[in-house]
Amino acid sequence: EAGVVQSPRYKIIEKKQPVAFWCNPISGHNTLYWYRQNLGQGPELLIRYENEEAVDDSQLPKDRFSAERLKGVDSTLKIQPAELGDSAVYLCASSFGTSGYNEQFFGPGTRLTVL
Amino acid sequence: GNSVTQMEGPVTLSEEAFLTINCTYTATGYPSLFWYVQYPGEGLQLLLKATKADDKGSNKGFEATYRKETTSFHLEKGSVQVSDSAVYFCALNDYKLSFGAGTTVTVRA
Repeated sequence: EAGVVQSPRYKIIEKKQPVAFWCNPISGHNTLYWYRQNLGQGPELLIRYENEEAVDDSQLPKDRFSAERLKGVDSTLKIQPAELGDSAVYLCASSFGTSGYNEQFFGPGTRLTVL
Repeated sequence: GNSVTQMEGPVTLSEEAFLTINCTYTATGYPSLFWYVQYPGEGLQLLLKATKADDKGSNKGFEATYRKETTSFHLEKGSVQVSDSAVYFCALNDYKLSFGAGTTVTVRA
């Protein structure tokens, strides 16, 4: 069974440029998460989807970050404009069912460098 | 809010040594507890989990027991191998995962 797929794996951009990350969850997983992992720290949740609905976006900086999950499958996370402090690894995860207690499976992440 | 505090690293051990990584948590309710591992160049993988008090999670020789009275979930392995070199994250799941900062473990032959 294929795992969580993310692209690109690496992205280098200059500040003030836009950037987008894509995630394809494990087939059948209706809950999808985006996390940000800063260097030397644990991941922090940005947004959680249950099917198409964003049920927890309280940690998403809405002035520059946006996300969508059309048709309840793939998801895209966008930053516009990027700032130096956005350099981090962006992780996507998915789980089966809508219970928050189900195991989450992580993708390999996208490492973003903002110059 | 929920939070996880884990032992700071880095930790360097010799092969066959005993490994302990301390983890304590603060949470309302009764969260599930997890240890995730991140091997060099790879994504986060679930190592083990425990869903209620006194549960013991185990996998690949690693163990951790959910201790509600001490709010702890310490990770242990009796005899580490070079292949155990990785970053280990303690986490609690109460509708979202809250991670500790991670502990880097290096095992030398």
